Amino acid sequence: EVQLLESGGGLVQPGGSLRLSCAASGFTFSNVDMSWVRQAPGKGLEWLSTISGRDGSAAYADSVRGRFTISRDNSKNTLFLQMSSLRAEDTAVYYCAKTVASDAWGQGTLVTVSS
Amino acid sequence: DIQMTQSPSSLSASVGDRVTITCRASQGISKSLAWFQQKPGKAPKSLINAASTLQSGVPSKFSGSGSGTDFTLTISSLQPEDFATYYCQQYKSYPLTFGGGTKVEIK
Repeated sequence: EVQLLESGGGLVQPGGSLRLSCAASGFTFSNVDMSWVRQAPGKGLEWLSTISGRDGSAAYADSVRGRFTISRDNSKNTLFLQMSSLRAEDTAVYYCAKTVASDAWGQGTLVTVSS
Repeated sequence: DIQMTQSPSSLSASVGDRVTITCRASQGISKSLAWFQQKPGKAPKSLINAASTLQSGVPSKFSGSGSGTDFTLTISSLQPEDFATYYCQQYKSYPLTFGGGTKVEIK
């Protein structure tokens, strides 16, 4: 069974940083592209970033490029999202998702950016 | 960027109704389209990818069709557990983009 478990969310001040993790199991993690998607309160889904399982290359949404960095540790089956220069509008539930087609999702972790 | 437009944004339907949700891409995406169901306070759940391939464990009352720019998600006989918000997503090219969602409510 595919399982994705995010962690690392919390309350952070504007301008601060946070690192999210997503522990994966139930599939061959190293072979699979992985994504981060967020959902602001009461809003729809917003894709943020995808990292290739093949070569580690990454793509980013304009809204986070230069502030967020996606990475992975295939030896630990873990996906990361390093977030910096956080803004109030980054407040959201952050999900990791398996493949570009998002065929499995974690339960999400809430990030609140507020002073 | 490829824009994904879902319609309607909301609908009211009764148990047993057949429901169809439409997703239109601003340019051709072949069959690189996925559908998701999300219930309040829960993570999205994948229903369909490649426009019409049902994910494992998803009941056959859900079906998807289309290619190019026009896609549909159909629920053949709406049940109480199907009241939720549904999203489409294109994965043909970056940035990946989602439709705005369709909230299916009880009439």
